[in-house]
Amino acid sequence: DAGITQSPRHKVTETGTPVTLRCHQTENHRYMYWYRQDPGHGLRLIHYSYGVKDTDKGEVSDGYSVSRSKTEDFLLTLESATSSQTSVYFCAIREGRSSTDTQYFGPGTRLTVL
Amino acid sequence: AQKVTQAQTEISVVEKEDVTLDCVYETRDTTYYLFWYKQPPSGELVFLIRRNSFDEQNEISGRYSWNFQKSTSSFNFTITASQVVDSAVYFCALSEANQAGTALIFGKGTTLSVSS
Repeated sequence: DAGITQSPRHKVTETGTPVTLRCHQTENHRYMYWYRQDPGHGLRLIHYSYGVKDTDKGEVSDGYSVSRSKTEDFLLTLESATSSQTSVYFCAIREGRSSTDTQYFGPGTRLTVL
Repeated sequence: AQKVTQAQTEISVVEKEDVTLDCVYETRDTTYYLFWYKQPPSGELVFLIRRNSFDEQNEISGRYSWNFQKSTSSFNFTITASQVVDSAVYFCALSEANQAGTALIFGKGTTLSVSS
């Protein structure tokens, strides 16, 4: 158990509304990631963080922003949700200092945008 | 560019059959790692194995075994004597040492259904 929680676990919202998903870890890992999972696409990286206030974009970052003001929390924000952002969102932490260390995932958040 | 291909979208077997899940990867990096994750119907992602590019020794863990062949860029996963509890989506993933941030590059997954 890598001590990762995500909130909320399920959310239904309407197009155009802002949404924030939270990832919380208890083990002080430096690297944190947000992925989305869609049928036929596997998991794709949205944004990642390599420390407090240090973030970078991933493959599918358009329409998303992130913030990390504390080591333990990594927030993903959809400024104005669209139906194409209906997905399952997974947060992950990377264990260890090497770039190829194992990533462990949170339980996921299922987001539906109507 | 890096890429992971899991050509088998769905596999159905009967309990006690052996099943192999294929994974083919592309990378220009000489140092990389390969992973397998399991996603049961409950939805969480469970780490199964991590293998580095310099270690081609096969790995066995109980009923699970992994065959890594650099010559064919493959990292296949075999479940021996499958059980209903093995029913899940299985993802193969690649991580490159020289990639900043090092996201995992995932295949699209193989859905394994094991019936009793």
